[in-house]
Amino acid sequence: GEDVEQSLFLSVREGDSSVINCTYTDSSSTYLYWYKQEPGAGLQLLTYIFSNMDMKQDQRLTVLLNKKDKHLSLRIADTQTGDSAIYFCAESIDTGGFKTIFGAGTRLFVKA
Amino acid sequence: GAVVSQHPSRVICKSGTSVKIECRSLDFQATTMFWYRQFPKKSLMLMATSNEGSKATYEQGVEKDKFLINHASLTLSTLTVTSAHPEDSSFYICSARDSRRGTGQFFGPGTRLTVL
Repeated sequence: GEDVEQSLFLSVREGDSSVINCTYTDSSSTYLYWYKQEPGAGLQLLTYIFSNMDMKQDQRLTVLLNKKDKHLSLRIADTQTGDSAIYFCAESIDTGGFKTIFGAGTRLFVKA
Repeated sequence: GAVVSQHPSRVICKSGTSVKIECRSLDFQATTMFWYRQFPKKSLMLMATSNEGSKATYEQGVEKDKFLINHASLTLSTLTVTSAHPEDSSFYICSARDSRRGTGQFFGPGTRLTVL
């Protein structure tokens, strides 16, 4: 079936790089996304990548996609305390109906 | 591009009243809109899918008479929570896509509903 998995917790020191990993099971994904959610707040789209891309970079964010292994990662360079939040990985699939499946979210804790 | 807004961002209402939440696609035409609900510390649960000009398709267990969805234009969908109860308190998130152009599905920031 369709499933998106990510580790639930990550702790890093301020200034270090954070790498949040995600695996998915459906090979027919079209788009993959990273969303950020701060406590009590809504979803903020950080970045998305088309399934025919391997990498996308946007300032401090780097997304890597390994389609063979169905693995998506988000690297945050020079992590700041303001980056502390929950990060959701999601994939959109379009097989007889379009839908987006979310992972459970990775809580990133940045220590000063 | 791909910006989806929601209004209001927060709403508090009394039990028994109805609340309307708006979802707008700002820079693209949303042929399909989705409404989700997020429970505390949980991921998103799809409530219903609507195509512009058509009736919404509700997921199993979601009461269509309680959660009224209107998708009358290519940039606006509304979710009305009727006769709200405290257990309806939650975070409601909409998303939108242009299925004609095969775009991805982009999410609004969410609306926090608190029913007293």
